[in-house]
Amino acid sequence: EVQLVESGGGVVQPGGSLRLSCPASGFTFSNYEMNWVRQAPGKGLEWISYINNIGTTIYYADSVKGRFTTSRDDAQNSLYLQMNNLRAEDTALYYCARGDSSGWYYVDIWGQGTLVTVSS
Amino acid sequence: QSVLTQPPSVSGAPGQRVTISCTGSSSNIGAGYDVHWYQQLPGTAPKLLIYGNNNRPSGVPARFSGSKSGTSASLAITGLQAEDEADYYCQSYDNSLSATRVFGGGTKLTVL
Repeated sequence: EVQLVESGGGVVQPGGSLRLSCPASGFTFSNYEMNWVRQAPGKGLEWISYINNIGTTIYYADSVKGRFTTSRDDAQNSLYLQMNNLRAEDTALYYCARGDSSGWYYVDIWGQGTLVTVSS
Repeated sequence: QSVLTQPPSVSGAPGQRVTISCTGSSSNIGAGYDVHWYQQLPGTAPKLLIYGNNNRPSGVPARFSGSKSGTSASLAITGLQAEDEADYYCQSYDNSLSATRVFGGGTKLTVL
């Protein structure tokens, strides 16, 4: 079964840091580009980062650029999101999501999400 | 303010047909990039519903269909069922933004 399972969320104070992990299973991780998408409570989806299948191309939304870092470890079949200098507006459910393999720019598999709460 | 514009809500009675619009611009849908649709049932992760404007992944009922024209796209649901009550999001690629992938603001479908 194709699966993505995020972890690492929690409650953190403004200015703090968290590292999210997303181990993948059921598919050849190294063949796929990956993404992070977040959803603030009661709000819509926001794309925040993309990494290609070999980790050489990474994009960030302006809202997180310079504070968040996406990386991958194909040996561990895992995607990561290092979040620094967190703000209240970063409070959201963070989804790890697999990009399609055909170059159409969509996401075909989603994790269940991990909740990040930034609060003092 | 989302790059792609969707109506906040739509509703319909069981058995009816509803459509959800998604309006973009010349840097995304109007530039020829495909539109994709996701369904998010209450309390769950989003699920791919339509990809490449009008293609259904395996397991998605034929009641769901998509179309695209100019700078807009639409999702149509025919034979509305109670279990279709969910949030629906359109998504495309934008060549003017650093994140590149963009979502609509989402539309809440209520089955009356």
